Amino acid sequence: GESVGLHLPTLSVQEGDNSIINCAYSNSASDYFIWYKQESGKGPQFIIDIRSNMDKRQGQRVTVLLNKTVKHLSLQIAATQPGDSAVYFCAETVYNQGGKLIFGQGTELSVKP
Amino acid sequence: ETGVTQSPTHLIKTRGQQVTLRCSSQSGHNTVSWYQQALGQGPQFIFQYYREEENGRGNFPPRFSGLQFPNYSSELNVNALELDDSALYLCASSSPRDGEGRETQYFGPGTRLLVL
Repeated sequence: GESVGLHLPTLSVQEGDNSIINCAYSNSASDYFIWYKQESGKGPQFIIDIRSNMDKRQGQRVTVLLNKTVKHLSLQIAATQPGDSAVYFCAETVYNQGGKLIFGQGTELSVKP
Repeated sequence: ETGVTQSPTHLIKTRGQQVTLRCSSQSGHNTVSWYQQALGQGPQFIFQYYREEENGRGNFPPRFSGLQFPNYSSELNVNALELDDSALYLCASSSPRDGEGRETQYFGPGTRLLVL
């Protein structure tokens, strides 16, 4: 069935280092992917998205890479800051399937000062 | 902030009761989706409303129902509450996919429901 999974449930990095959060998906029909950040007590916050016809997209300090061959998605955060500490979710969706976002379980990023 | 608001922020109910959760979408968005997030898990899709019609539904029983109003605000109703319904309920608003195939859903802060 469809699923989005994350390779690591927790990630601890030093402030200033780069962070890489990985995500695997199984639905080859998924054509749009989104990374969300969720801080404690808050709703998921949009970070960056990518369509299936792209393999890389950059934002401010963040880069998303998509490898459709192995159904893998990653989020890279440059110069990680304490404010980046949160749970990160990847989500996938398929056009014309009623707006359903399929979320993974999440990776908790902890930034040490 | 996304501009998506939800009320109430917290709610305590007992088994068998009914609950109504509310959501106001971001200005300019005509689509609202609802998700259930259990502790330590990712959000699970309940359903989506587009222009007051249900546009898609996840694997939730019929006692989960919704409405969308002409101003695109929305309600989630849950009847016959069960202990397992305790969760964070998230509302997300969006616009239909744009010309680049993007349909970004922006989330509200959620309503935390506890069923005793």
